[in-house]
Amino acid sequence: GEDVEQSLFLSVREGDSSVINCTYTDSSSTYLYWYKQEPGAGLQLLTYIFSNMDMKQDQRLTVLLNKKDKHLSLRIADTQTGDSAIYFCAESLSTGGFKTIFGAGTRLFVKA
Amino acid sequence: DAGVIQSPRHEVTEMGQEVTLRCKPISGHNSLFWYRQTMMRGLELLIYFNNNVPIDDSGMPEDRFSAKMPNASFSTLKIQPSEPRDSAVYFCASSLAGGRASTDTQYFGPGTRLTVL
Repeated sequence: GEDVEQSLFLSVREGDSSVINCTYTDSSSTYLYWYKQEPGAGLQLLTYIFSNMDMKQDQRLTVLLNKKDKHLSLRIADTQTGDSAIYFCAESLSTGGFKTIFGAGTRLFVKA
Repeated sequence: DAGVIQSPRHEVTEMGQEVTLRCKPISGHNSLFWYRQTMMRGLELLIYFNNNVPIDDSGMPEDRFSAKMPNASFSTLKIQPSEPRDSAVYFCASSLAGGRASTDTQYFGPGTRLTVL
C-alpha cells in the first residue's frame, strides 16, 4: 500500500549539515515534497522535486531522489537554530485523485 | 491573501459533548483536506473534498466523525459525541489540484487544538 517512512528525531550542532531521510513505497509517485512545521503552526511547503529529477538545490537546501530505491533526502547546509522544526516527507500520487501521503515527520533539534 | 482560516484555535470540552471545527480554504482552491495530528500517530488524513464533494473519507476514525463542505468557501468537521482519545490538533488544508506540483501544494491552516476531558 501507500506508505512514507522517515526517522522520528535528528539532532545536529549549529553550523553542521543536517540530512533527513525518507522512503516511500508507491512507484507511481509523480511529485515528492518536503514540508516544514514550526511549533504551534501548520505545515508549510519547503521544497518539492519531480520524480524524473534526481537532485534539486535551493539555497541551503538540497533534495536528492533515488527513484530505484524509493529514497528521498533533504540536506540543510549550515543548520541554524531557526531550522529546528518537524520536517515531513510527502508523496503525491498520480492515481486515485489528488492524494498526498505524508510521513510521520522528523523532529530536528539544533544545538547551539 | 489570509491563507486557510480555522476556528476555533483552541477548544476544551467534556467527554460526550459535540465539537464542531470550522475551516475557510484559500479562495479559488478546489480541494480541501482535514488532518489530525497526535504525538502517537503523527499526521493522519481524515477526509478530503474536491469541488465540494467528498472523495476519500477512509481516514475518518468512526461514525462519530462527520465532515461537510456545503460550498467552496466553508467546511466543518464534527465530532459527536467526543471522547478523550479525540484530543489532537486538527488541521485543515487546501490546494488547487491540477496534477502539477506547484498546484498540488497544500496550504495548511494554523490548526485547532482540541482537548476532550
